[in-house]
Amino acid sequence: EAGVAQSPRYKIIEKRQSVAFWCNPISGHATLYWYQQILGQGPKLLIQFQNNGVVDDSQLPKDRFSAERLKGVDSTLKIQPAKLEDSAVYLCASKAGQETQYFGPGTRLLVL
Amino acid sequence: SQQGEEDPQALSIQEGENATMNCSYKTSINNLQWYRQNSGRGLVHLILIRSNEREKHSGRLRVTLDTSKKSSSLLITASRAADTASYFCATYSNYQLIWGAGTKLIIKP
Repeated sequence: EAGVAQSPRYKIIEKRQSVAFWCNPISGHATLYWYQQILGQGPKLLIQFQNNGVVDDSQLPKDRFSAERLKGVDSTLKIQPAKLEDSAVYLCASKAGQETQYFGPGTRLLVL
Repeated sequence: SQQGEEDPQALSIQEGENATMNCSYKTSINNLQWYRQNSGRGLVHLILIRSNEREKHSGRLRVTLDTSKKSSSLLITASRAADTASYFCATYSNYQLIWGAGTKLIIKP
């Protein structure tokens, strides 16, 4: 079974630029998550999808972050414009009906 | 917001020794999960313990849960160099996983 795929693995941008991350979950997993992990901290949930609908986006900074999962499969997370404090690893995870989440390798973002 | 708090923040032991990490949380939970994160990689699920369970084993891992104290511990026996990683506890409540800041474990050869 293929795991959760994410791209790119690394991205360096300047502040005020925009950036997009892509995630392809495990086939058949209805639930998809985007997390932000700042160095030295645990992951923080940004948004949770169930199929193509948003379940929880209460911690997503909606003035600059957006995410979509149009066909209920892969998903894109966008930041526009980026700030210095957005430097972090962005993790995508998916799960089927059970409680275990399966994580991708993450995208490491550096904002200069 | 982060619910779980791991203790210690960092732990360095000799290969072959046992490593114990603790996690405390604040609200009622459905289950508690432990994950491992190697440097530069994603999180890997290790073990899940439900709120009505007190102890669970998986290979060299032993997890305990004390819901009265809102705490859990992860024991890794006979540590190996490959166990060097950060370990996170995450509590599952209201359909959401809430994470602690992690314990950084270093196994010295």
